[in-house]
Amino acid sequence: GAVVSQHPSRVICKSGTSVKIECRSLDFQATTMFWYRQFPKQSLMLMATSNEGSKATYEQGVEKDKFLINHASLTLSTLTVTSAHPEDSSFYICSAWTENYGYTFGSGTRLTVV
Amino acid sequence: EDQVTQSPEALRLQEGESSSLNCSYTVSGLRGLFWYRQDPGKGPEFLFTLYSAGEEKEKERLKATLTKKESFLHITAPKPEDSATYLCAVQADTGTALIFGKGTTLSVSS
Repeated sequence: GAVVSQHPSRVICKSGTSVKIECRSLDFQATTMFWYRQFPKQSLMLMATSNEGSKATYEQGVEKDKFLINHASLTLSTLTVTSAHPEDSSFYICSAWTENYGYTFGSGTRLTVV
Repeated sequence: EDQVTQSPEALRLQEGESSSLNCSYTVSGLRGLFWYRQDPGKGPEFLFTLYSAGEEKEKERLKATLTKKESFLHITAPKPEDSATYLCAVQADTGTALIFGKGTTLSVSS
């Protein structure tokens, strides 16, 4: 089946620095990638939708200059948290969508900003 | 506004004690309803997709059903390894992104 590889699984960074999270689709091409954020005991909240080769569409309340999404190829999408602050600490999950495979989720990245 | 509500928030069962989890939804038009299992610190693991009222799907000890307003995930004779958070999500006519509920955290003790 389809697999999305997400890295890193855990990252700790200092306040004010930037962190990049990668999601790679293995053995299939992901034209659409969704990025979610999940706080403890909360739902997965959609942050943005990205389509290969075009700008990401951000949900209301998500700062596009803070959460930079790049989907430059059909197998790689990245989320960069810029100037991270403790309130950005969360669990970030990507999900690829294709007609053939439906939704395929990455394993998630636990970000801790200290 | 499209919305998904799951209940209960947490459920504790003894091994072998069957029960059901509820997912009620409000969407402009339902393309599909999805059930996932999520273990701590992991991404969601796909269980079922249901598309129309009356549809049912089974997998081992799990059975999912769908009506026009809600879905149930029935767990028959659960085992400790069934302990996880179960997420319900809908895909609405208005887009492809899934809308998730908060989940039900299931704990099964032996």
